[in-house]
Amino acid sequence: GQQVMQIPQYQHVQEGEDFTTYCNSSTTLSNIQWYKQRPGGHPVFLIQLVKSGEVKKQKRLTFQFGEAKKNSSLHITATQTTDVGTYFCAGDSGGYQKVTFGTGTKLQVIP
Amino acid sequence: SQTIHQWPATLVQPVGSPLSLECTVEGTSNPNLYWYRQAAGRGLQLLFYSVGIGQISSEVPQNLSASRPQDRQFILSSKKLLLSDSGFYLCAWSVRSGSTGELFFGEGSRLTVL
Repeated sequence: GQQVMQIPQYQHVQEGEDFTTYCNSSTTLSNIQWYKQRPGGHPVFLIQLVKSGEVKKQKRLTFQFGEAKKNSSLHITATQTTDVGTYFCAGDSGGYQKVTFGTGTKLQVIP
Repeated sequence: SQTIHQWPATLVQPVGSPLSLECTVEGTSNPNLYWYRQAAGRGLQLLFYSVGIGQISSEVPQNLSASRPQDRQFILSSKKLLLSDSGFYLCAWSVRSGSTGELFFGEGSRLTVL
């Protein structure tokens, strides 16, 4: 079945440093979504990418979808303590509404 | 506006007891519905998803089952809980369209099996 892996599993950064998490799927995705889950909370949608090679920005966050639509990345510039949480990518590989989540990257920001 | 309700929020159950978690969505029609489980400090495991009443796709059969008796109601059940069933259960919905869109999650149900 479809597998979606993320690296790194954990990342500790000093406040102000940059952060990147990478997402790799075993199958081609029709789209990729990114979510953020704060400790004790539920995942909250950040963005969706659909096109091959697509890049989208949300303030300090930059999202990229790979040319082959099998990988994606999330880059945060100048992290802040409010960025703390676990970041998940998620996607479906056939438009069948089955959404598989990546393994997640837990970000800790040291003030 | 659309809302999703999930209950109970927390429960502690003995091994071998039954389970019923309920999720309802308001303010939308014909949603896709999902059940995920998250073990402590881990990722989200897709358990079941449904694109319509009576249509359930199972990803992890084991001892869990799901039902969708009404368009906006999704129920997760077990006849006999195992220790390994402990975790954070999340219900989610999305708009049904040609491609999968944003998932909206409920607040979650934290299950501890003793």
